[in-house]
Amino acid sequence: NAGVMQNPRHLVRRRGQEARLRCSPMKGHSHVYWYRQLPEEGLKFMVYLQKENIIDESGMPKERFSAEFPKEGPSILRIQQVVRGDSAAYFCASSPPEAGANYGYTFGSGTRLTVV
Amino acid sequence: KNQVEQSPQSLIILEGKNCTLQCNYTVSPFSNLRWYKQDTGRGPVSLTIMTFSENTKSNGRYTATLDADTKQSSLHITASQLSDSASYICVVSRMDSSYKLIFGSGTRLLVRP
Repeated sequence: NAGVMQNPRHLVRRRGQEARLRCSPMKGHSHVYWYRQLPEEGLKFMVYLQKENIIDESGMPKERFSAEFPKEGPSILRIQQVVRGDSAAYFCASSPPEAGANYGYTFGSGTRLTVV
Repeated sequence: KNQVEQSPQSLIILEGKNCTLQCNYTVSPFSNLRWYKQDTGRGPVSLTIMTFSENTKSNGRYTATLDADTKQSSLHITASQLSDSASYICVVSRMDSSYKLIFGSGTRLLVRP
């Protein structure tokens, strides 16, 4: 069984461009969570999605950031008009529908976004 | 404010030695505490998960302790190996939003031969 797959592993964008980060959850998992890790900081929760629904986006910046998890295909984290401060590692985790509070979330290897 | 603080920030030990990493948290209402290992350039990997009623849990050479009264946890690594070089991250979640993990900044461990 493949784990949580994220691509690309590295992404370089010029200021003002758009960045699209993809996350394919583990087989059978319908819940996806995105986290951001700024340099020298811990991971910070961004958004929790189920298939076709955003459950909690309280950690997402209000502007330029959006996330989706369509019925078919991977979850997408989209950053419009990127700025230097968006440079970070973005991690995705997934869980099955029946996951309880003590579920051991599995993370992907992350996408490292560099804005130049 | 919900916070997770770890110490030390970094640590260098010789192969074969033991070490203990510390974590203090102010997260409330408490649900559980996890320790993750994160290798450079990789995602975090779960080592242990403890709830309020558990005060110790082992996973091979890793032993985590939890004191829910003082809101402190430790991770003890026994007989360190070169492959233990990584960041060790303390992660706490709240009872009302257990999916929303609150990460510490980690302790960066380097094991030297």
